[in-house]
Amino acid sequence: QLQLQESGPGLVKPSETLSLTCTVSGGSISSSSYYWGWIRQPPGKGLEWIGSIYYSGSTYYNPSLKSRVTISVDTSKNQFSLKLSSVTAADTAVYYCARHTVVNWFDPWGQGTLVTVSS
Amino acid sequence: QSVLTQPPSASGTPGQRVTISCSGSSSNIGSNTVNWYQQLPGTAPKLLIYSNNQRPSGVPDRFSGSKSGTSASLAISGLQSEDEADYYCAAWDDSLNGRVVFGTGTKVTVL
Repeated sequence: QLQLQESGPGLVKPSETLSLTCTVSGGSISSSSYYWGWIRQPPGKGLEWIGSIYYSGSTYYNPSLKSRVTISVDTSKNQFSLKLSSVTAADTAVYYCARHTVVNWFDPWGQGTLVTVSS
Repeated sequence: QSVLTQPPSASGTPGQRVTISCSGSSSNIGSNTVNWYQQLPGTAPKLLIYSNNQRPSGVPDRFSGSKSGTSASLAISGLQSEDEADYYCAAWDDSLNGRVVFGTGTKVTVL
């Protein structure tokens, strides 16, 4: 079945760029009808959608993060990636990747990866 | 940040029925479908209900969803100990050029 796995550094310094990759297995990232999304969850808090990308490269982002977010896709590797610039402690969170249907639900989700912003 | 409001907690004894509300507005729940996620302790969220009231394969039928106007509800009937988790509603919001919004989350405790 379809599985997603996040990877990347667990510690990022303030003002630097957070970079994560999501590897999709058990299915093609080039499937039509699906976007691929990033969601984050600060420790002890709720969920926040970051943005999503279609296999063609079309993207849409949460307006509150848009100025700092770039999501890209590599169909040859069946991966998509997140870059979040100028991070602060407020960006410390578990970051999840997930398949995003065009009717706007997320399923399945990756297991998540904790990224801590600290010097 | 959350634009969908949920009660912070709900509880019940095994076998009881528990209902969780999700309050939004005309730009989100009022004009788009609602999805619900279950997050067991220490795990990633899992899709529980989609398109207001549809259950993915494998989700027990004691979980049900409904929507009316700008509010939605998740009901858990025949509460079981393994239902102790955080529950989040979510919907598309048409404002600010469009975005996915999540609820504030509800912690369900089985007494």
